[in-house]
Amino acid sequence: NAGVTQTPKFRVLKTGQSMTLLCAQDMNHEYMYWYRQDPGMGLRLIHYSVGEGTTAKGEVPDGYNVSRLKKQNFLLGLESAAPSQTSVYFCASKAGINEKLFFGSGTQLSVL
Amino acid sequence: GESVGLHLPTLSVQEGDNSIINCAYSNSASDYFIWYKQESGKGPQFIIDIRSNMDKRQGQRVTVLLNKTVKHLSLQIAATQPGDSAVYFCAENSGGSNYKLTFGKGTLLTVNP
Repeated sequence: NAGVTQTPKFRVLKTGQSMTLLCAQDMNHEYMYWYRQDPGMGLRLIHYSVGEGTTAKGEVPDGYNVSRLKKQNFLLGLESAAPSQTSVYFCASKAGINEKLFFGSGTQLSVL
Repeated sequence: GESVGLHLPTLSVQEGDNSIINCAYSNSASDYFIWYKQESGKGPQFIIDIRSNMDKRQGQRVTVLLNKTVKHLSLQIAATQPGDSAVYFCAENSGGSNYKLTFGKGTLLTVNP
């Protein structure tokens, strides 16, 4: 039981490049989330999903897209990376409402 | 501004002392609260949670207190150890859906040997 696994762990992009961050969970959780963490800002919700095939916007969705084609996977895409998207990205999942979130170990993304 | 906030951004304690980390929330409709610990370079790790129908919950060396009257949450760590050094976040359910957690900005706890 690996929990929540994020790939890659580190990535450096040039402005305008695209990439996809992968999140996989093996706990059969319904709800999955993508957060970004910046110094002094705490964790801010980008997008989330309440089940396979569903996605919804969080606090800071602009510049990101997501897909949840399979229950165990939640993909975060950056179509045209900007320096403002330099951050640490965390994926999380939970079984249901008012259940605790389990987090991945994060992806450090730098956009030059 | 943040609906979940912290009174102290940093806290420094001596090993063996008790630590208290505070958190204020503004959404009176929130009914679920969690404390997370985040060590450097790692993802947040669940510590303890509490539902709004309780005012106190205890775990191993940790206690969470909830005061709904003043919308205040605290985390107490007994006999603080160097391994407790980390950033601690409180979080609450936000919005009408209860799907989402809103996180505070965190308190850095430093334990001095």
